[in-house]
Amino acid sequence: DTGVSQDPRHKITKRGQNVTFRCDPISEHNRLYWYRQTLGQGPEFLTYFQNEAQLEKSRLLSDRFSAERPKGSFSTLEIQRTEQGDSAMYLCASSEATQGAGEKLFFGSGTQLSVL
Amino acid sequence: GESVGLHLPTLSVQEGDNSIINCAYSNSASDYFIWYKQESGKGPQFIIDIRSNMDKRQGQRVTVLLNKTVKHLSLQIAATQPGDSAVYFCAEKLNTGTASKLTFGTGTRLQVTL
Repeated sequence: DTGVSQDPRHKITKRGQNVTFRCDPISEHNRLYWYRQTLGQGPEFLTYFQNEAQLEKSRLLSDRFSAERPKGSFSTLEIQRTEQGDSAMYLCASSEATQGAGEKLFFGSGTQLSVL
Repeated sequence: GESVGLHLPTLSVQEGDNSIINCAYSNSASDYFIWYKQESGKGPQFIIDIRSNMDKRQGQRVTVLLNKTVKHLSLQIAATQPGDSAVYFCAEKLNTGTASKLTFGTGTRLQVTL
């Protein structure tokens, strides 16, 4: 399977615990994105990387959230001191950086986080 | 699998009929638009895209129409099949010259009846 891979698929945690998710993008893609999706809504942009550099973060990304892409390949998203409002599907997407407007994002199946 | 959304607008179509899903986008500065399909428990799957310098683009069984005057996007699916049942999202990208920070619409659930 050469698509975007995310692990774990589901995570149940207690409020206050830390969680970490992993994303493996399509191998030749140099851009990697994290989005969050809550029930009944479309995905919302959180942050993105070009190679290992984190170039932009949304205001949705509080200081309890941190993302890394240390070698420009896989990425991790960590949430510290989880809150019930963090419950959502966390989606990773990757793409090849292109000139102009036509950059296609390919999404993984997501990690569904439930904070009890 | 877990439902993508419980209170989405729903379009019911009979198998074999054509489907038209509509989307109003928000920003006249957007220069690129994508339709995604999302099945329960899965991430969004790319269907078709269109740039703002076009008003129509066709793929296999799908056509996207763009009306920049009224900021409207539509997805037409020909000969709808049961496998087309899913939630469909339109997404827009602002012409900021940076990466694809897509803004997604609310989504429409397509139900295909036999």
